[in-house]
Amino acid sequence: DAKTTQPNSMESNEEEPVHLPCNHSTISGTDYIHWYRQLPSQGPEYVIHGLTSNVNNRMASLAIAEDRKSSTLILHRATLRDAAVYYCVPQGGSEKLVFGKGMKLTVNP
Amino acid sequence: DSGVTQTPKHLITATGQRVTLRCSPRSGDLSVYWYQQSLDQGLQFLIQYYNGEERAKGNILERFSAQQFPDLHSELNLSSLELGDSALYFCASSVGARGRGSPLHFGNGTRLTVT
Repeated sequence: DAKTTQPNSMESNEEEPVHLPCNHSTISGTDYIHWYRQLPSQGPEYVIHGLTSNVNNRMASLAIAEDRKSSTLILHRATLRDAAVYYCVPQGGSEKLVFGKGMKLTVNP
Repeated sequence: DSGVTQTPKHLITATGQRVTLRCSPRSGDLSVYWYQQSLDQGLQFLIQYYNGEERAKGNILERFSAQQFPDLHSELNLSSLELGDSALYFCASSVGARGRGSPLHFGNGTRLTVT
C-alpha cells in the first residue's frame, strides 16, 4: 500500500485560498489519488480524485505533480464549513484502502 | 446525505456482550467497507465485501465478523466485547470492487460504547 505524508495541521483564514499538500512517493502508476474530509462527529466525505491530470469540481481542485509523487488539494475560498480533517488516500489495486491520520484544517473567521 | 445508512446510531453495552451493526449501501453500490475509528487510532480498515463475497481483510479481530447479504446490506458482528472496542464504526460503499476511480461514500457511523 502506498504511504502518504501530510502535515498534522494547517490554519487558514476565511475566504482565502488554501493549499493542502500530500506526499505519496510510493504510489504506483495505476493508483488514483483520492481526497476525503471528515467533519466532527460525521463520516468521511469524498472530496475529489484524480490520476494524472489536474481535476476540478464544485468543492475543490486537485493538482497532481508530474511525477505523481505529491498532490495538492486546493480550496479556492475557505469557509468555516471547510474546517475538518483532510485525508489523502491513494486507491489502487489493493482493496485495503488505508486512511492515514489526516491533516486538521482550522479556518479562522 | 451520502445515501449510506447505518443503524443504530448509538449503542451502549457491557463487556462480554455481542452486538450487530447494520449498513445499507448507496443504491447501485456493490462494495461495502467497514472501518473502525477510535480516538488514538484514526480510521482503521476492517473488511470489504463485494457483491456478497469477502474481498479484503484489514486489522479485523477474530471476535469480529461480517457478511453481505443478497440485498447488498451488510452486518458487522462484534462479540466478547472489551472496553477497547469502544469506537465509531463506519460503513462505506462504492460501485466497484476496487477503489481506483470509484470513490467511497461513508455513512455517519455507529458509536459503540462498551462499559
